[in-house]
Amino acid sequence: DAKTTQPPSMDCAEGRAANLPCNHSTISGNEYVYWYRQIHSQGPQYIIHGLKNNETNEMASLIITEDRKSSTLILPHATLRDTAVYYCIVRVDTGRRALTFGSGTRLQVQP
Amino acid sequence: DAGVTQSPTHLIKTRGQQVTLRCSPKSGHDTVSWYQQALGQGPQFIFQYYEEEERQRGNFPDRFSGHQFPNYSSELNVNALLLGDSALYLCASRPGENNPNSYGYTFGSGTRLTVV
Repeated sequence: DAKTTQPPSMDCAEGRAANLPCNHSTISGNEYVYWYRQIHSQGPQYIIHGLKNNETNEMASLIITEDRKSSTLILPHATLRDTAVYYCIVRVDTGRRALTFGSGTRLQVQP
Repeated sequence: DAGVTQSPTHLIKTRGQQVTLRCSPKSGHDTVSWYQQALGQGPQFIFQYYEEEERQRGNFPDRFSGHQFPNYSSELNVNALLLGDSALYLCASRPGENNPNSYGYTFGSGTRLTVV
């Protein structure tokens, strides 16, 4: 799986958009970008994933650059409950393949 | 619909003892993975089970072993506990590969193990 680089921490004001970047410059053509988050005292939670097109679901949007070397997770209207560690994971989508977590970005949503 | 259930939620053990942690996967999921998460770090993959066999293993010693039962539930066993085994142990499940929704893992809230 390709290595990812994320800032260790970010702050965001409540109600504003949170934009979390991830660099994955060594990504291969068959590797997907996945995002999970971990709220304090809970297990990680799947957010969204994509290959090369931008993706949106009820939780977030994923923007992947055209060269696929970086991506941004967007939480359009951050709330205090979005305070968590966000993990960007790049992996070949072979179903049962294990997840490789880095250190993630600790997002603090401020009131 | 219950998600992934882990028991116990907290556990204190003495160095050298053995421990068994339990996991019930989400309904409809047949694959169970175990992760260890030390304080302030991301989860580290221990091993994965499906069809009652260990299919993948991370960089963990043989003191860590597991089992999957016919009902897909799983156990994680750790022998000869070390202080460094203190961590949050997470169980994750997912559907089989033929399931159209088989792209994401569902995690439990974990078992907090403290070795003293």
